[in-house]
Amino acid sequence: RKEVEQDPGPFNVPEGATVAFNCTYSNSASQSFFWYRQDCRKEPKLLMSVYSSGNEDGRFTAQLNRASQYISLLIRDSKLSDSATYLCVVWGNQAGTALIFGKGTTLSVSS
Amino acid sequence: DAGVTQSPTHLIKTRGQQVTLRCSPISGHKSVSWYQQVLGQGPQFIFQYYEKEERGRGNFPDRFSARQFPNYSSELNVNALLLGDSALYLCASSLQTGSTEAFFGQGTRLTVV
Repeated sequence: RKEVEQDPGPFNVPEGATVAFNCTYSNSASQSFFWYRQDCRKEPKLLMSVYSSGNEDGRFTAQLNRASQYISLLIRDSKLSDSATYLCVVWGNQAGTALIFGKGTTLSVSS
Repeated sequence: DAGVTQSPTHLIKTRGQQVTLRCSPISGHKSVSWYQQVLGQGPQFIFQYYEKEERGRGNFPDRFSARQFPNYSSELNVNALLLGDSALYLCASSLQTGSTEAFFGQGTRLTVV
């Protein structure tokens, strides 16, 4: 089982749509969780940290279920500028020193 | 404030050659990590350095090495380059080792021919 698994998509949605991405992780000792956004041929940029209580930043909502080892990201009212690859990221490999990335989910928002 | 800076941005090397990539972290950040991202995959962890000491190493061959300097900048060296080393090499800066947020440089795109 891969350490972090995501549905690669692509997700093709119209502007204004709501889209949800899911992610599972294998290491139950993982300590921190993040969503990063990566535009084509650019570096990953931190979108938001994910907290056990769930957290929201504008149109973006992230949730964590430690019991199920499951992370989600909800994007409401999608914009063209949301088109990117969204990376689910978990802190904590066996040595506890690294970010572990999923392969990413590609989102394409069209007008 | 400057973000994470990496140099060079692009590089073309021949199989068997050696390459050195450089990274300057955000001011005040003491931890630097290196990641390799091949097309279609998420970044893969190579090394973490904190306070000039190696704190973690990913599943990469000994051809890969790194170091961190007193000013917290870092270099990644790759010897005996293979075609499969072609990738985007990313440097991540964070305040300290541990589960803190990490910020990435723009990366060095290495092509091995």
